[in-house]
This record gives sequence, structure tokens and C-alpha cells, in this order.
Amino acid sequence: GQQVMQIPQYQHVQEGEDFTTYCNSSTTLSNIQWYKQRPGGHPVFLIQLVKSGEVKKQKRLTFQFGEAKKNSSLHITATQTTDVGTYFCAGPVGAGSYQLTFGKGTKLSVIP
Amino acid sequence: SAVISQKPSRDICQRGTSLTIQCQVDSQVTMMFWYRQQPGQSLTLIATANQGSEATYESGFVIDKFPISRPNLTFSTLTVSNMSPEDSSIYLCSVELAGRYEQYFGPGTRLTVT
Repeated sequence: GQQVMQIPQYQHVQEGEDFTTYCNSSTTLSNIQWYKQRPGGHPVFLIQLVKSGEVKKQKRLTFQFGEAKKNSSLHITATQTTDVGTYFCAGPVGAGSYQLTFGKGTKLSVIP
Repeated sequence: SAVISQKPSRDICQRGTSLTIQCQVDSQVTMMFWYRQQPGQSLTLIATANQGSEATYESGFVIDKFPISRPNLTFSTLTVSNMSPEDSSIYLCSVELAGRYEQYFGPGTRLTVT
């Protein structure tokens, strides 16, 4: 079945440094979604990318969807302690499916 | 978005017993999902619960172990039956809104089986 792989598993950064997490799918995705889960919290929807090569920004967060629609990245500029948490990418299990397959997540720690 | 609540927020149960988790949404939604998340791990989809039809289960999950009800468009329950310590996990419900594909999660139920 479809697999969504995410790297790195962990990332420790000094506050103010940049951070990037990468997501790769074994199949072409109709869309890719990103979620953030704070420690002790539940996943919170961040964004959905649909178009090939799409780039979206949310303040210091930049999301990209690859041209082949099989990979994606999340880049955070100048991390802050509020960015701490686990970032998950997720893609539909099949074309047009509402069910999601989640990557294993990247746990971000920010050292003040 | 949607406001989703879950009950209980946490519970400690003895092996062999069953626990029913409730999920309530503040608006009518067609698709609801149940996930399991082991501490420090990713989310694993258990089943999809659509109102008016039987829940569809993912590979590795069966109805006898995880019966689901979906009596209306704002409510669903997941029962974890005949529990063993391996069922200790966080159980989350989520909803998909109006064909937008993105999902919104409840706060989760932390289950410990002793």
C-alpha cells in the first residue's frame, strides 16, 4: 500500500535557526496535508497543498509540494520556542480518498 | 473548522473489560474517523464512520474488537473490547469538513490497560 516517509525523525535547533522536514510518498498524491502536534496535544491542521509545484506561506512557515506530487517539505524560518512539537505530513490512501496515511512525523525541539 | 470533544479524556481499565469512547462535534459532518496513537508515534487509522452505513475498518482492525456506532451526523462512539495492555494508547476521533479533505481532531482519550 501507499507509504508516506518523513525525515528527519528528530531535529534539535537553537532558537533562531531554520528547520526543514521532508515528506516522500511512494505514489503520486492528489493532495498533501501538514499537521502540528504540540506535546500533550492533538494534531492540528496546518495546510493542504494540491497543485504540482505549489508553494504556500504562513508567516515563518513555507510549504512546498513537488512537481511530481510525490514529495513535500515544510520549512520554518528563525524558529521560536512556540514552534516546538511534532510535524506530520499526511496524504490520501488512494486517489480521491478522504482517509489519510500519516508520516512518522518530525519532532522539533528548540533550544532557547 | 469544528469543535470536537471526547469523553473520557483518560481512563485506566483492567484487562478483559471494555471501554466506550464518545466523540461529539458541534456541527453536522459526514465523515468521522477513529485513530490510535501510541506515545511518541504516528497516527494509525482504525476505521471510518459514516452516518447511515457500517464503519469501514483498516487492515489489522476488526469490528469485534473495535465496534463503532454513528447514530447521527454529530456523534460517534468507539468501543475497545476485551482490553489487553497492548491496547494502551491514545484514541483520537477526527472529522472531515464538507469535502475539503482536511481533518480536525478531538483532544483524544488516553487509555491505560493494567
